[in-house]
This record gives sequence, C-alpha cells and structure tokens, in this order.
Amino acid sequence: ETGVTQSPTHLIKTRGQQVTLRCSSQSGHNTVSWYQQALGQGPQFIFQYYREEENGRGNFPPRFSGLQFPNYSSELNVNALELDDSALYLCASSSKRTSDEQYFGPGTRLTVT
Amino acid sequence: KNEVEQSPQNLTAQEGEFITINCSYSVGISALHWLQQHPGGGIVSLFMLSSGKKKHGRLIATINIQEKHSSLHITASHPRDSAVYICAVGIGTSYGKLTFGQGTILTVHP
Repeated sequence: ETGVTQSPTHLIKTRGQQVTLRCSSQSGHNTVSWYQQALGQGPQFIFQYYREEENGRGNFPPRFSGLQFPNYSSELNVNALELDDSALYLCASSSKRTSDEQYFGPGTRLTVT
Repeated sequence: KNEVEQSPQNLTAQEGEFITINCSYSVGISALHWLQQHPGGGIVSLFMLSSGKKKHGRLIATINIQEKHSSLHITASHPRDSAVYICAVGIGTSYGKLTFGQGTILTVHP
C-alpha cells in the first residue's frame, strides 16, 4: 500500500476556469512530484516540491503552479484551463529529492469542456 | 527521438506464455523504473533498478547500463497481468524528474 492519496478522483471544468488538485504524501515523505498524463501517452513531469519549495520544473507554462504545505501535502493549481489540459494528473511522493523510490497516487482525471 | 522508447507498443498473449517488454533509453540515468497501470489510472511501482536484475514473484526486470537497455519479463502470464507497463528513467540526481516511455499495452487472454 503506497499511502499516497489524491482528491478529487474525477473533475469536470469549463475552458477558462481554474482548478485545484490535492495530494497527500505517504507518511514521512518530504518530496512530491506532479505529472500530467494525456490519454494514450506516458506521464510528463510538471514540477517537484521539496520541503515547501519548488525543486525542478518541466516544460509547462506558468499557469501551472503548486504549493507544498508544512505537513508535506501538496496542491496543483491550473489557471485559465484549456481543452488540452484534459488528462490524468498524478502525484508521487518520495523520501528523497532524487528519482529513487517514488510512490504514486491513484490520480485525478480532469476533463475540460 | 524520445529519450525513452518501449517495444512493443501492444502485446497480446495467451495465458501461460512468457512475456518480454523492452525499454531503451538514450541518456545517462540514475535509476530505471518499471511501472504498472491498470485501466482507470493508478500507477504501481514494480521495480526500481540501477544495475543487474531483480525478481518479484513472476516478474523479472533486468538492466544493461552499457547498452542502455532494460527488459521486463513475466513468466506464466495470467489475465490479471493485463495492464499498461511503463518504463521510466531518472535523469540526473538533482531532483526526482522521471521521464516516461509511452507504455506497452499488454492483454493476456484466458
């Protein structure tokens, strides 16, 4: 059991709206990474947070932003939603900043209409 | 060319068959992961490798660092093994970005 949870499970939004997705890390993990998985594609790295600070970012525009809280839970915020933002959003927690031992959550399925 | 390439993209097998999924990468890595994703989303980590070979039940993963190649083998396949299998690599050690292959869709028929 990974212990990583995400909410909500599914979400439908309209183009131009804003959305917040949440991730609760596995106990003792201080690092969380967010990924976007479009239908039929492999996940793409969005960014990573380590001890409440952004610690690396993929090729995503600034309207994708995040937060990590003192309890190491995390949020992904997306502003000005576009149709192409429809995807499965995955978070993964780890006890280190490196790529070792990442534990994935079940994902949030976002549909933008 | 993608940094991580998997083959085949689709694989159909009969129950009991031995299955191999391949992953090639073009950059230096810190670790390679094999992941399993069932319909509906959730990803489960199967293996993390930096060298050699690992075995868990009917699953075996190998990696050849010099050839930049890894394989995932499933012995005595079962319909419950039907899923998408994804290879992902960690590039560099400064942070935990994983770069993913596109996945191999495995269907095992009874």
